[in-house]
Amino acid sequence: AQRVTQPEKLLSVFKGAPVELKCNYSYSGSPELFWYVQYSRQRLQLLLRHISRESIKGFTADLNKGETSFHLKKPFAQEEDSAMYYCALSGHYGNKLVFGAGTILRVKS
Amino acid sequence: EPEVTQTPSHQVTQMGQEVILRCVPISNHLYFYWYRQILGQKVEFLVSFYNNEISEKSEIFDDQFSVERPDGSNFTLKIRSTKLEDSAMYFCAGTLSNQPQHFGDGTRLSIL
Repeated sequence: AQRVTQPEKLLSVFKGAPVELKCNYSYSGSPELFWYVQYSRQRLQLLLRHISRESIKGFTADLNKGETSFHLKKPFAQEEDSAMYYCALSGHYGNKLVFGAGTILRVKS
Repeated sequence: EPEVTQTPSHQVTQMGQEVILRCVPISNHLYFYWYRQILGQKVEFLVSFYNNEISEKSEIFDDQFSVERPDGSNFTLKIRSTKLEDSAMYFCAGTLSNQPQHFGDGTRLSIL
C-alpha cells in the first residue's frame, strides 16, 4: 500500500530555531518523494523533490530508504516559513501523488 | 511563469445538481489530474488523464464523476448529481512526463 505519514499536525517554533518536519512513507518500490508548501490563501507549490538534492529557501530533505523517511529540515526558521507543509510520493513522474495529512509550521517571533 | 488556472474559485450548488469545475492547464503539460481536499482532511487523488483518456482513477471517482478535455485546453471535472459529502476543495494539476506536478488555486465546492 502507498502511504505517507506526517505525525505532527502542528509544529510551533521560535524564529531562528531549527525545524524538522517529519515524513515517513510506505511504498513497495522506489518512489519519488516531494515536499509541497501552501502559504496562506495560496496554491500548493513544490518546495523540494528528492532527486534534485537541492536546498530551497534554506530547506533540505534527505531520503532515507532504510528508515523510509524524508524529513524536511531547516537550521534557522524564519517567520515567512509559516505555512502548511505536505509530504507526497509518486511511483514515477506521470503517476498520481499520494499526500500526507500535512503539518502546519508556525514560526513565532 | 505560466500557471494552472481554475474557475470558479467558489461554487455553491444545491444537492442533486450537476456541477462542472474548470481548469486551464499549462499549455505544454501532458498529464492532468484532479485532487480533492475535504475540510480538515488530506489531499486525495481523484483521477489522472493522459492522451485524452483516464489513466488512473481512485475509488472516490465513481459513476457520478467524469472528466474531459473537450478543446485541447480546458480540463473539466463534472459531478453529475452532487451530494453533501462532495463539499471540498478541488485541485487541478498538470505535468510533463519528468517534472513535478503544478497545481491550480483550487475551487471550493459547497453543496447545500
